[in-house]
Amino acid sequence: SQQGEEDPQALSIQEGENATMNCSYKTSINNLQWYRQNSGRGLVHLILIRSNEREKHSGRLRVTLDTSKKSSSLLITASRAADTASYFCATTGGGNKLTFGTGTQLKVEL
Amino acid sequence: DAGVIQSPRHEVTEMGQEVTLRCKPISGHNSLFWYRQTMMRGLELLIYFNNNVPIDDSGMPEDRFSAKMPNASFSTLKIQPSEPRDSAVYFCASKGQMNTGELFFGEGSRLTVL
Repeated sequence: SQQGEEDPQALSIQEGENATMNCSYKTSINNLQWYRQNSGRGLVHLILIRSNEREKHSGRLRVTLDTSKKSSSLLITASRAADTASYFCATTGGGNKLTFGTGTQLKVEL
Repeated sequence: DAGVIQSPRHEVTEMGQEVTLRCKPISGHNSLFWYRQTMMRGLELLIYFNNNVPIDDSGMPEDRFSAKMPNASFSTLKIQPSEPRDSAVYFCASKGQMNTGELFFGEGSRLTVL
């Protein structure tokens, strides 16, 4: 299985601080995606980074990918209370099969 | 667009009963996925379809589970007979052929088997 593992499992920060979450995976990938899940809701796609990319930005999100270490990080800058959610990385090795990691629970406190 | 629509949102049933979960993917999407989420096992891919054809059902736990996609706008996941260990949130997601690979998820069906 190439299921990713997120680190840390849980993260609590103050509003305005940056939040960094890490993801490690096991096998070669075509791309890596990050999703957010608010409590009791479905997952929402945040950003996709291809295997030949090293860094990607989208608004307050910054994603890095290191294929040599089979790892990725998601940075949320200037966090807000509304960023409180679980964050998952997901990988595809080919085809349509998307495998999700274990998730990081982020809590942003006022 | 209405997004991926799942029903029911919540279901409570007794062990041994048949459970049917329903999904309407986003119009025009040609891939459909069923995932199960539990605290212990996280998000598990059960099965996915391309153009209404099951491609990979290796994640289906056992013969009690079955999934169908009779047309491009409807899919069902059936559990018969249900067991308490089937209690989970079941998500349906769809993907279009032309997009970059992101999945669009429904809000899930929370199943409790007593």
